Parts: sequence; C-alpha cells; structure tokens
Amino acid sequence: GEDVEQSLFLSVREGDSSVINCTYTDSSSTYLYWYKQEPGAGLQLLTYIFSNMDMKQDQRLTVLLNKKDKHLSLRIADTQTGDSAIYFCAETPLSGGYQKVTFGIGTKLQVIP
Amino acid sequence: NAGVTQTPKFRVLKTGQSMTLLCAQDMNHEYMYWYRQDPGMGLRLIHYSVGEGTTAKGEVPDGYNVSRLKKQNFLLGLESAAPSQTSVYFCASSYSRGRPDSAKNIQYFGAGTRLSVL
Repeated sequence: GEDVEQSLFLSVREGDSSVINCTYTDSSSTYLYWYKQEPGAGLQLLTYIFSNMDMKQDQRLTVLLNKKDKHLSLRIADTQTGDSAIYFCAETPLSGGYQKVTFGIGTKLQVIP
Repeated sequence: NAGVTQTPKFRVLKTGQSMTLLCAQDMNHEYMYWYRQDPGMGLRLIHYSVGEGTTAKGEVPDGYNVSRLKKQNFLLGLESAAPSQTSVYFCASSYSRGRPDSAKNIQYFGAGTRLSVL
C-alpha cells in the first residue's frame, strides 16, 4: 500500500531556511500536500503540487518534487518563530471518486530565536 | 467562516463510559473523516463517509462507531471507552461538487477533541 515517510524533528535558527523532506511510494499520478499543525489546532493546508510538476513557489514556501526518487521537500525561506509547528506531508492518487489520503507521521519544526 | 466544528474540545471519561463526538461542516462537503492522532504515530483514519447515510471503516475502526444521518454532521461514538482510546480526535471534510479544489481532495480539519480515558 501507499506509504509516506518523514523525519521527526528539525531545528533551525530564526532567519535561516528550513527544508522538510518527505518520501512516498505511490507510483501513480498523484497530488502531494503539505499541511501545517500549530499547537492545539487542526491541520491546515499550506500548499499542494501535482506529480507532473517539478516545483511550486508561494511567497516564502517552495515545494520541490523529484518524481524519479519520489522525494518531496518543503523549503521555508526566512523562517520565523511563527513557523514553529508540525508539518505533515500527504499524498492521494489522481482518480475519480473517493480516494484515500495518506499522511506522513509529521515533522516537528523548532525555530530558535 | 465556521468550516469544520468539533464538539466538545476536551473530555475526560472513566473506563467503560460512553460518549459521542460531534463534527459539523458548513461547506457542503460530500466526504467526512474521523482521525486519531497519537504521539509518534501521526494521523490514523478511524472511519470515513462518502455521503449522507454511508460510512466505511478506516485503519483503526475497532471500538468506535459512526453515523452520518445528515450531510453536514458526522458523529463518532465510543460505546465503552478504554484507556487505549486516550487521544486527540480530528474530524475533516473534503470534496464539494463543482468546486475547483474538489479534484485535489483537499481536506479541511476541525480543531480537535482531546479525550482522556482514565
């Protein structure tokens, strides 16, 4: 079945760039997501990319996709203390009707002032 | 802009007690989900629904029941709570016919219910 893997923890200094990595196993066309979970809150979609794209940029966020290696990364430029949160990678196959979304375990980003 | 609302936010139960968690969404979404989140285990799907009157089992359905009598509501029941059900429970919804994000299956989450079973 599908699997999404992430490292558990990342610590960066305020102002530096953060790179959170994810690998997935689904070989079909797929959507890949990054969700952010702040303490005590639910998950909120940050951005997504379709598997026929290599890169997507949205303000301080850059998503890179290496489809050959099934590797997805989220780069946060000029990381701020407000970026401290858990970041979840997720994927779902492109297909009609209901499709399961598979979430990674989440990477906890700690931003040091 | 309510989105997905979960009630209650916190609850403490004794072993063997029952309770129902309520999820309500106002986005006319077809699909709804219940997840539990435990340290080191990420999100695990308990049950889900692809439409009013339908439910299906997820990865960890044992000990839980669900109902979707109305499109906007998805209820999660614990008939006889056990300490292993201590967790944070999240409801989510997705897919509204005709909306641009529908094909992407973007899920919208509630704020969660923290449940402790003693």
